[in-house]
Amino acid sequence: EAGVVQSPRYKIIEKKQPVAFWCNPISGHNTLYWYRQNLGQGPELLIRYENEEAVDDSQLPKDRFSAERLKGVDSTLKIQPAELGDSAVYLCASSLGGTKWQAFFGQGTRLTVV
Amino acid sequence: DAKTTQPPSMDCAEGRAANLPCNHSTISGNEYVYWYRQIHSQGPQYIIHGLKNNETNEMASLIITEDRKSSTLILPHATLRDTAVYYCIVPDSNYQLIWGAGTKLIIKP
Repeated sequence: EAGVVQSPRYKIIEKKQPVAFWCNPISGHNTLYWYRQNLGQGPELLIRYENEEAVDDSQLPKDRFSAERLKGVDSTLKIQPAELGDSAVYLCASSLGGTKWQAFFGQGTRLTVV
Repeated sequence: DAKTTQPPSMDCAEGRAANLPCNHSTISGNEYVYWYRQIHSQGPQYIIHGLKNNETNEMASLIITEDRKSSTLILPHATLRDTAVYYCIVPDSNYQLIWGAGTKLIIKP
């Protein structure tokens, strides 16, 4: 069975440009997470979905970041416009949900804003 | 803030047991301890979790002290591929995993 799939793997954009990341979670996983990871630090949660509903987006910078999870499966994270400080690895993870914290992660998208 | 503290780095010889400590002195009675690792340029990988009893799976063993204020992850026969950052995590009151900086484990030949 395929794991969590993310694309693209790498992205380089100029500041003020938009960018989007895509995630396909493991089939049957109701919970989907987007994390941001800066160099040398642990992942930081941006948003968590239970099916289609965003149940925790308190750490998502809503002025420039947006996310959606249509039909409770795939998800897209968008940044518009990107800033230099947005350079990081963006990780998607999924789990069965509830209190089952065995989350499975994708390989991430490394974003560089120049 | 993360509810755990870990040493920033550790070395271990290949073939020996790697013992990674974690302090979680504020853990409450029903909170689990989770361990993940992250190999360079990959996403984090779940290793093991436990509540109060010791746990073992094909990857590692988890030893939790009786007072539950600390735990140790044991990789019984470390290989070079075990070089990674290891994260010990206790979910917060909103059931979220708050990640610290972890322990960078380097396995030396």
